[in-house]
Amino acid sequence: QVQLQESGPGLVKPSQTLSLTCTVSGGSISSGGYYWNWIRQHPGKGLEWIGYIYHSGSTYYNPSLKSRLSISVDTSKNHFSLKLSSVTAADTAVYYCARFKQQLQDTRYYYAMDVWGQGTTVTVSS
Amino acid sequence: SSELTQDPAVSVALGQTVRITCQGDSLRNYYASWYQQKPGQAPVLVISGKNNRPSGIPDRFSGSSSGNTASLTITGAQAEDEADYYCNCRDNSDNHLVFGGGTKLTVL
Repeated sequence: QVQLQESGPGLVKPSQTLSLTCTVSGGSISSGGYYWNWIRQHPGKGLEWIGYIYHSGSTYYNPSLKSRLSISVDTSKNHFSLKLSSVTAADTAVYYCARFKQQLQDTRYYYAMDVWGQGTTVTVSS
Repeated sequence: SSELTQDPAVSVALGQTVRITCQGDSLRNYYASWYQQKPGQAPVLVISGKNNRPSGIPDRFSGSSSGNTASLTITGAQAEDEADYYCNCRDNSDNHLVFGGGTKLTVL
């Protein structure tokens, strides 16, 4: 079955760029009509959707992060990546990757994230 | 953009039934999905669409929707159901996604 694994530095200095990669195993990132997401969770807080990418390269970002955010995909390596620039302590969080497929049931769509990575903790500190 | 509102905390006696709700305008047009998250673990999908349970999710978990409210019901709550529960959905006006603030379920 498909598995996702986040990787990247656990410590980033303020004002620098946070870079993470999510590697997909057990399936192709280009097949199945899936969208590939980044989600984060601040310490003791709820889930925050960051953005997603389709294998074609189409992206959709959380408006609150859009000015600092870039998500890319490398189909040859079967992974997708997140770059968040000008980070501050407020970007300290556990970062998850996950996938969803837009599905239709009884004339209504839903967007269920059925596979998640284990998460990686990123701390922004000097 | 749309918001999804959840009660911060709910409690249920062992073996009883509990309903966790999620409210938002986008739920009039899209189904919610529900996730269970235990401390130190990644979220796990428990309900999606009208009322779909992934393989491995006990049938005591069910979902429903009415108007601007989606509900997750646990019939006969077990100690292992104690966790945080999140709903998510698509934004009404564009292709963004949004999560509810989460509900902490305590099983007494």
